Amino acid sequence: DGGITQSPKYLFRKEGQNVTLSCEQNLNHDAMYWYRQDPGQGLRLIYYSQIVNDFQKGDIAEGYSVSREKKESFPLTVTSAQKNPTAFYLCASRASGTGEQFFGPGTRLTVL
Amino acid sequence: SQQGEEDPQALSIQEGENATMNCSYKTSINNLQWYRQNSGRGLVHLILIRSNEREKHSGRLRVTLDTSKKSSSLLITASRAADTASYFCATATTGANSKLTFGKGITLSVRP
Repeated sequence: DGGITQSPKYLFRKEGQNVTLSCEQNLNHDAMYWYRQDPGQGLRLIYYSQIVNDFQKGDIAEGYSVSREKKESFPLTVTSAQKNPTAFYLCASRASGTGEQFFGPGTRLTVL
Repeated sequence: SQQGEEDPQALSIQEGENATMNCSYKTSINNLQWYRQNSGRGLVHLILIRSNEREKHSGRLRVTLDTSKKSSSLLITASRAADTASYFCATATTGANSKLTFGKGITLSVRP
């Protein structure tokens, strides 16, 4: 059963804490992406990775960090430096040479 | 800033009617894609149209692209209640590190 998974579905965090969101894919895709979605808004790109051990900042990278040690995994850490982290976070992957992105189900992060 | 701007922001139609959604963008693109999102879920890819294509069909979906006007339209024919969702256009720029830029989306409600 191929696809892209994100965990957890819901995450609560206290102010000042770092938290890591998981994203795993078994589609053998080279490229992976993290987006943030706020209510009534489109998706904004946080970080992306075209290949293992390489990643680039997107449009709103401040307060976030990522790693890409394995092809299948692209975890996102929301640090305490992110001023307004409450949002819906979406991970996606894409096969090389294609345009279509496949999305995970998302993680809803709430800062208490 | 967001590249794609969808119009209208919200659309409510009766089941069986056609739904037309528009997207405008600002810079040169490699391709334009339409995605669908059900409430609280990840995005699902609907259709991709390349910059050298003018029209594309997929089932009840018809997409047009006018690069001279930097605009695209998505037509859903014979709509169903299950088509109720948010629809996003996303543009991919040219270049090796091509990434998607999303609009804010259109909320479509199809009344049974």
